[in-house]
Amino acid sequence: QKEVEQDPGPLSVPEGAIVSLNCTYSNSAFQYFMWYRQYSRKGPELLMYTYSSGNKEDGRFTAQVDKSSKYISLFIRDSQPSDSATYLCAMSDGTGFQKLVFGTGTRLLVSP
Amino acid sequence: GAVVSQHPSWVICKSGTSVKIECRSLDFQATTMFWYRQFPKQSLMLMATSNEGSKATYEQGVEKDKFLINHASLTLSTLTVTSAHPEDSSFYICSAGGNNEQFFGPGTRLTVL
Repeated sequence: QKEVEQDPGPLSVPEGAIVSLNCTYSNSAFQYFMWYRQYSRKGPELLMYTYSSGNKEDGRFTAQVDKSSKYISLFIRDSQPSDSATYLCAMSDGTGFQKLVFGTGTRLLVSP
Repeated sequence: GAVVSQHPSWVICKSGTSVKIECRSLDFQATTMFWYRQFPKQSLMLMATSNEGSKATYEQGVEKDKFLINHASLTLSTLTVTSAHPEDSSFYICSAGGNNEQFFGPGTRLTVL
C-alpha cells in the first residue's frame, strides 16, 4: 500500500465550477499537509500547507485535513482555465518541509 | 517565491555513460537541497538530502555509488548518474530550502538509450 494515495485524473470541469481534490494516507505520524500546483515543464509550487487537522482558506482555495480519517482535500472555488495544472498533495511528519511524501498528482483541466 | 534552476532540462545519453545534472538556487542561499525522481504516473520520490559541505543522506533503496551528489556551495548542488542504464530514465527534480518551505526546480528529463 502506498503511503499517500491520490487519483491521477484527469479531472475535467467547466469554468466556474467548484473543484474537489483529495488524498488519503496511511501514516498516522504525518502532521504537515501541503498542496502543490505544477504546470507543464515547471517545478511544483506551494499553494497551501496545514499543520494537523482543520481548515485553511486562501482566496479561492481551501485546504481541509481530517486526521481521524487520514483524508485531506483541496477545494477550488470559481475555477479558471489558468487553474489547469497537476495538483500534488504532500505530507511529512514532525520534520516539517524536510522529508516530503508526495501523492501521484491529479491533473485538472478547466475548460472555458 | 525563490527561484531554483536546473540544467539541462532534458538529456539523452547512451547506456553506460555518466550524466551530471545541476541545481542552482538563484536568489537565496540554500544550506539544504533535495533530489527527487519521478517515474511516469508515479509520485515524486525523495532520493537524497544534501547539506552544503557534508555528505548527502540517501533514502533507502537509492544507490549512493550510482547517484553521486555534491553540494559544494550554498547555491549549487549536482547529481551525477554514473553508468546510466535505461531503467534510470526518469524525471529528476531538485528542490532547495529547509524547515519552512521547499522551492522546486523545473526538473530534468533523462532518457538513457
